Amino acid sequence: GESVGLHLPTLSVQEGDNSIINCAYSNSASDYFIWYKQESGKGPQFIIDIRSNMDKRQGQRVTVLLNKTVKHLSLQIAATQPGDSAVYFCAENANDYKLSFGAGTTVTVRA
Amino acid sequence: DTEVTQTPKHLVMGMTNKKSLKCEQHMGHRAMYWYKQKAKKPPELMFVYSYEKLSINESVPSRFSPECPNSSLLNLHLHALQPEDSALYLCASSQEYRGGDIQYFGAGTRLSVL
Repeated sequence: GESVGLHLPTLSVQEGDNSIINCAYSNSASDYFIWYKQESGKGPQFIIDIRSNMDKRQGQRVTVLLNKTVKHLSLQIAATQPGDSAVYFCAENANDYKLSFGAGTTVTVRA
Repeated sequence: DTEVTQTPKHLVMGMTNKKSLKCEQHMGHRAMYWYKQKAKKPPELMFVYSYEKLSINESVPSRFSPECPNSSLLNLHLHALQPEDSALYLCASSQEYRGGDIQYFGAGTRLSVL
């Protein structure tokens, strides 16, 4: 079946560096994408979203890029901080309105 | 305020027990969701309520029984669970059940079935 997935299950990044988390999707009907951050013991927390009529969207220290040609989504975190250590999930909405989550990437920030 | 409140935070129950999980939001959202999350896995959708009516049941076993008493509350009644039902149960809400509405999650109830 079609689903959202992530390229790497883990990412280790030096504090202060930029992080890039990748996500591939296969459902060409998906028109809305969202990134969540889940810290240990907590529920997923909304970070940023993007609709399919856009290819870039910026938030505070985060940028989401969407490449519909290759069905690729990425989350960039600028100046990564220890508090950014978490599991990051991408998710997509296709026309059934359900959120389909990717497998997740665990980001560890090294001091 | 984007808060979804879940109680209890932790629950331990035997296979013959009956318990309930509760979820509350005061954002005026008309869609509410139950998800199940196993360790190191993404959330899996269980149920969707839209305008207090059950819209989606993802073939969830009948030992899980959802209830939406009003637009702010969502319950999940548990009965005769199995050890493999141990997981983090997440509640979420969104403005409506439609594409492009952000789902806001609670902190979850960590359930252990003995």
